[in-house]
Amino acid sequence: DGGITQSPKYLFRKEGQNVTLSCEQNLNHDAMYWYRQDPGQGLRLIYYSQIVNDFQKGDIAEGYSVSREKKESFPLTVTSAQKNPTAFYLCASSLTGTVNTEAFFGQGTRLTVV
Amino acid sequence: GENVEQHPSTLSVQEGDSAVIKCTYSDSASNYFPWYKQELGKRPQLIIDIRSNVGEKKDQRIAVTLNKTAKHFSLHITETQPEDSAVYFCAAIRISSGSARQLTFGSGTQLTVLP
Repeated sequence: DGGITQSPKYLFRKEGQNVTLSCEQNLNHDAMYWYRQDPGQGLRLIYYSQIVNDFQKGDIAEGYSVSREKKESFPLTVTSAQKNPTAFYLCASSLTGTVNTEAFFGQGTRLTVV
Repeated sequence: GENVEQHPSTLSVQEGDSAVIKCTYSDSASNYFPWYKQELGKRPQLIIDIRSNVGEKKDQRIAVTLNKTAKHFSLHITETQPEDSAVYFCAAIRISSGSARQLTFGSGTQLTVLP
């Protein structure tokens, strides 16, 4: 079953702790993205990667870090420097060519700071 | 980078009426404009898209129009049904071979179709 998988679905974190959200895809996509979605708000881009071992900051990268060691995986770490981390996090992937341009999303991870 | 503005943020229509959502973009080099639908508790999914070489595209009850000169594009849903209730996101993207692609979305529109 091809697709993009995020885990866990729900995550609780104590203040001051780092936490890592997993995103795995078996669609053979080169590009992967991380978004943050707050209630009633849109999708804000945190980080994106077009190729293995390379990634760029999005609009709200402060307090977050990523790695892209494998094509299939793009984990997001929410660090203690992120002042308001409670949110819904969505991962997406896409091809990088000019013909097939659709982005596919994971089911999301809801992070709550307790 | 690209800046996409989307209006309205909320929209309520009676079942059977039409709904229109509008987006404007800032980067004249953007050439691909997708629309995504996110139902409550689910992941966003592509419903229709348009490229800059066409002005309009239709798929059953859904259509998208593009005005490159004014840098705005719109989603039109006709004969709305309760299952159309969702959050809709637009995006404006520059598609070119070999360059990094920043996928930037509008702020979303919560569409509610009233029975």
